[in-house]
Formats: sequence, C-alpha cells, structure tokens
Amino acid sequence: EAQVTQNPRYLITVTGKKLTVTCSQNMNHEYMSWYRQDPGLGLRQIYYSMNVEVTDKGDVPEGYKVSRKEKRNFPLILESPSPNQTSLYFCASTPAGRWKEAQYFGPGTRLLVL
Amino acid sequence: ELKVEQNPLFLSMQEGKNYTIYCNYSTTSDRLYWYRQDPGKSLESLFVLLSNGAVKQEGRLMASLDTKARLSTLHITAAVHDLSATYFCAVDTPRYKLSFGAGTTVTVRA
Repeated sequence: EAQVTQNPRYLITVTGKKLTVTCSQNMNHEYMSWYRQDPGLGLRQIYYSMNVEVTDKGDVPEGYKVSRKEKRNFPLILESPSPNQTSLYFCASTPAGRWKEAQYFGPGTRLLVL
Repeated sequence: ELKVEQNPLFLSMQEGKNYTIYCNYSTTSDRLYWYRQDPGKSLESLFVLLSNGAVKQEGRLMASLDTKARLSTLHITAAVHDLSATYFCAVDTPRYKLSFGAGTTVTVRA
C-alpha cells in the first residue's frame, strides 16, 4: 500500500530535550515536505526537499532541522524544543513533476512541549 | 509573500441546501489544490486545478479556478452530513511550496 508514515504519532516532551520525528514514504517520491498545523493558521511549511541531499527552508524553519540522506526518509529534528513548537506536524511527499498531483500526507504527529 | 484567504472560516450548513467556499490568493499561480480533513485525521486530496477555467466535480463537490481573479470556489450541492469536515485550499508557488488557507470548518445539520 502506498503511504507516508510518521513516528511517533503522539509525543510529550520537555523544553530543551532533543527529539526526532521520522517520516518515510514507499512511493519513490522525490519531493518531501514538513508542515505544522496550528488552529486558525492552516498548514505552514517548515522545510522541503527536492531530492536526496537537497533541502530548503519553508515559511517557518526556525528551531527545526532536516536531513535527506535516503530518498524514502525525511526526518524532522528539534534540537532544543520550546513550548511554541507544540503543534500538529505533517509530512508529505509527491513525485517529480509534482504539479500534476496533490501531495500525499502522512497521518500526523501531535507534539506537546512542556 | 503569498497570502491565501478562505471564506468563510466556519460554515453551518443545512442538509439539502447549496453552499460555496471561497479561496482568494494574492499572487499569480495556476495551480490550486483542495483538501479535506476530518477531525483528528490527515489531509485527503479532493481536487487539483491546473489552469484558468478548470472545473472538477466529484459527487456533491465542484471546484473551479479563475486565475485572473485569483479565486477558486468549492461548491457544495445538497449538503449531507458526511460532508462535515474542514476544507483547505492550497496554492502552489514556483518555489515548490504550498501555501494553505486557514481552512473552512463545515458542519452539516439536519
């Protein structure tokens, strides 16, 4: 089954404790992206990746890091989480020539930073 | 910076009636997407609109795109309960970035 998976799905942590949210897709998509969803703001892009070793900032990259060492994986790293990073996070992927298809979204990771 | 505005943000619909959600955006783009999100769930793609005048229909939902007016509409015909969800429009930009509207939360009542 074609899918985007994220882990963990729920996470409670404390300020300053480094964490990683994993994202994996099995569709051989070149393009992957991370979004955060906050009430009243829709989804905002954090980082995106056009392919392996190619990443770029989205609208709200501060406090986040990403890497793309393999085509299928695109982890999101919070080096020193803060309470304002409490949010619902979505990973998404799409094939090259992406403008013809909608992005496929993962199930989401709900993060609470105390 | 691309701004995407949806109206209304909340929509209480009566079963059987017709309604429209509007999506305005601030800069030139000819690629617009509509997504649906059920409570506690991920986003599901509804429509991909790729050119001026594009119209797509699926069941009771119909989406259209006017790139000159920078406007897309999502029309709901004869609302039913299972259309209750949050609907997002998203506009593509040349930097391979999707900019989302704030979402329209739809509730269908009997």
